[in-house]
Amino acid sequence: GDSVTQMEGPVTLSEEAFLTINCTYTATGYPSLFWYVQYPGEGLQLLLKATKADDKGSNKGFEATYRKETTSFHLEKGSVQVSDSAVYFCALRGLTGGGNKLTFGTGTQLKVEL
Amino acid sequence: GAVVSQHPSWVICKSGTSVKIECRSLDFQATTMFWYRQFPKQSLMLMATSNEGSKATYEQGVEKDKFLINHASLTLSTLTVTSAHPEDSSFYICSARGAGVMGAQYFGPGTRLLVL
Repeated sequence: GDSVTQMEGPVTLSEEAFLTINCTYTATGYPSLFWYVQYPGEGLQLLLKATKADDKGSNKGFEATYRKETTSFHLEKGSVQVSDSAVYFCALRGLTGGGNKLTFGTGTQLKVEL
Repeated sequence: GAVVSQHPSWVICKSGTSVKIECRSLDFQATTMFWYRQFPKQSLMLMATSNEGSKATYEQGVEKDKFLINHASLTLSTLTVTSAHPEDSSFYICSARGAGVMGAQYFGPGTRLLVL
């Protein structure tokens, strides 16, 4: 079945540091890939997505490129801010369940300090 | 963006009682709603998918008689945990999607359930 593996946290960075959160997936066919962010006390919000190989999703300075050859969708940001502190979830929507189902990774907590 | 609310955000109950959690889409019609369960430091696990006016489709291993889902309108779905036990303590998250399989999916803030 479909699965998503992402790096364990917490990840602690200083403000303006470079961020990478690794995400790899297993799925049949060509899934759509997503990054969601959950700020404290709030629901998950879609951060960015990519629907086909070599697509790059981007939003709020975050980027992730759909790499089919390495089955990866790593999240990057060049300069993090304290306000980026949150839990980040990698997810895919594949063919399972008629394309109706999101499969999530375990989440990676990011803490950004001054 | 679209807003999904959940109520209550926190609930503590005694073992053997039933608990109802509401999920509402506030500014759009949710043709499909999803219920997830999340354990500490683990992924969101899909419990069931419901379409308005239809019976919910439960994931393998989820007891339909234990977790009753009702999706009676395009803006409201409820999850009732019947005869709750301590092992049902968890974080329950609902999600709603508008028309179309590829429509955007919006998440509620979650409900923390503690069964004593």
